[in-house]
Amino acid sequence: SAVISQKPSRDICQRGTSLTIQCQVDSQVTMMFWYRQQPGQSLTLIATANQGSEATYESGFVIDKFPISRPNLTFSTLTVSNMSPEDSSIYLCSVDGTGMNEQFFGPGTRLTVL
Amino acid sequence: GENVEQHPSTLSVQEGDSAVIKCTYSDSASNYFPWYKQELGKRPQLIIDIRSNVGEKKDQRIAVTLNKTAKHFSLHITETQPEDSAVYFCAASNGHDMRFGAGTRLTVKP
Repeated sequence: SAVISQKPSRDICQRGTSLTIQCQVDSQVTMMFWYRQQPGQSLTLIATANQGSEATYESGFVIDKFPISRPNLTFSTLTVSNMSPEDSSIYLCSVDGTGMNEQFFGPGTRLTVL
Repeated sequence: GENVEQHPSTLSVQEGDSAVIKCTYSDSASNYFPWYKQELGKRPQLIIDIRSNVGEKKDQRIAVTLNKTAKHFSLHITETQPEDSAVYFCAASNGHDMRFGAGTRLTVKP
């Protein structure tokens, strides 16, 4: 399976600021996904990021709050904008490395907003 | 949209016993059903999956079954070991997006 890395692994931020999370894959993949996992909870899809097109956001998530870039087939960023304590969570990217819907996850970014 | 329900939320078994986790889905277009294991502080790991053209799949001590008519699928772990202790998530995908169940915290007591 693809090797997926994320930066930063964790961060503590002040409310009102923004944080950009990077996701890097060691092979070209068409589909990349961004999820949020709140403590003790399941995974919630934020958006699907395909190279060359606008990200597709799930209900409850908007581009102004979570802008996404997908400049090439190995990289994506998710920005959490104007953060509040409610944004404290783990953010994970995943990729469909096989083209058959099999998703593999990055290690996650643990965000704490004070 | 797709809704995936998972039961039980917690499961405790003795080492060597079997564990069964069940999920139901609502979208009849779903055709791919993976299971993920997430250990504390780690990323979810894909452990087994099944597609809608198959009724059962086995990989050593783990197996998945799928009943398309009833829209439910299950994870079976036999001869459980303490290292099987983790949170397990089922998911359902229609090829466009994937929805996850709420998770089952499995504890295997030595």
